[in-house]
Amino acid sequence: EIVLTQSPATLSLSPGERATFSCRASQSVAKHLAWYQQKPGQPPRLLMYDPSSRATGVPARFSGSGSGTDFTLTISSLEPEDFAIYYCQQRGNGITFGGGTKVEIK
Amino acid sequence: EVQLVESGGGLIQPGGSLRLSCVTSGFDLNNYAMNWLRQAPGKGPEWLSYISGSGSTIYYADSVRGRFTSSRDNARNLLFLQMDGLRAEDSALYYCARDYEGPVGSVRYTFDPWGQGTLVTVSS
Repeated sequence: EIVLTQSPATLSLSPGERATFSCRASQSVAKHLAWYQQKPGQPPRLLMYDPSSRATGVPARFSGSGSGTDFTLTISSLEPEDFAIYYCQQRGNGITFGGGTKVEIK
Repeated sequence: EVQLVESGGGLIQPGGSLRLSCVTSGFDLNNYAMNWLRQAPGKGPEWLSYISGSGSTIYYADSVRGRFTSSRDNARNLLFLQMDGLRAEDSALYYCARDYEGPVGSVRYTFDPWGQGTLVTVSS
């Protein structure tokens, strides 16, 4: 099973700041990686897939990059609604999710 | 508007069975593969099962293979997850989710939208 390790576990930032999250796979998943956002009491919402394609309706401040084992999600300028938990998910070999990065207000 | 609504969760004793349902609306279920996932409190989601649009192809995660069974009734816009031999570690919020429809077609094993989930608690 491919293990996805997300870092950091928690990111404390202010609105307007740039947020960068990492997702590292235990073996190559090529470009088959997606990112989800989850707010309290809500299901996950797809943000990015493969890994730089933005899902429908996702603002342009979200961007994804990477291939193989190392991936990054970037939010160029945090909006108040972006404070949430972010998960990566791979479909390159089986299907697994990372443990999440929580973005909290500093 | 695409909607997915799960039901059937509850408190069940270890070894028991539950049948979850997911009613869909806003799209033609015949044309979409669907998935079941779950999420324990404070954990990332876990994929459980994939079922193709016709229901002819079904895959399971190792953790539930042989205990859980996926099925669908496209005529009634319904998806089912039969869960047998439940264990304490199966306690979680269970979601149904559609394969994401991208600009050039469905993206298999990429999940959007999700329902709101139904809670399953396995405890004596």
